[in-house]
Amino acid sequence: SQQGEEDPQALSIQEGENATMNCSYKTSINNLQWYRQNSGRGLVHLILIRSNEREKHSGRLRVTLDTSKKSSSLLITASRAADTASYFCALRGTGNQFYFGTGTSLTVIP
Amino acid sequence: NAGVTQTPKFQVLKTGQSMTLQCAQDMNHEYMSWYRQDPGMGLRLIHYSVGAGITDQGEVPNGYNVSRSTTEDFPLRLLSAAPSQTSVYFCASSPPSWPRGLSGYTFGSGTRLTVV
Repeated sequence: SQQGEEDPQALSIQEGENATMNCSYKTSINNLQWYRQNSGRGLVHLILIRSNEREKHSGRLRVTLDTSKKSSSLLITASRAADTASYFCALRGTGNQFYFGTGTSLTVIP
Repeated sequence: NAGVTQTPKFQVLKTGQSMTLQCAQDMNHEYMSWYRQDPGMGLRLIHYSVGAGITDQGEVPNGYNVSRSTTEDFPLRLLSAAPSQTSVYFCASSPPSWPRGLSGYTFGSGTRLTVV
């Protein structure tokens, strides 16, 4: 399978706490991306990390990539109620098609 | 506003009917894809296109056809609708990844399709 697998499937935290979600995969990758989906909406691109990068930051987001373990993590620091959404990792195939996992549903309680 | 436009937003079909889901982007993106999203299964790739006149199958292409006559449009055709095709359909586009750098997808807002 070319899909990633997110873990946990669901996560509930208090506002202000950090949220960590993980993505594991089985194939070699060119890059890995994280997307957010608010309920009833399309996906929004958050961050991309290339296979030769180990860590990347964007605002309150921190993404790590360990190609030896075939895994990536997304950390959201100082979470807010507006961060409540589903988060997906996406792996790029040999062309430009992307394969998405089943997602982590994050609930941030005010 | 620049982006990916999907129409219709909602559709109910009877089994056996055919229809076309429209997708248009105004960002001059070469790459376009169709995904379906079902509960507990994430997004699955149906068909994709790397440019006008070029299409290819994704993970779940059966029952769907696509064509790409222009850079802007990438319609998805359901040939004979079945209840198993009840889903939310997303169209997405992106500029090419090489050599101009890597980029993510821009998604449309989705079409919610129910087949009865």
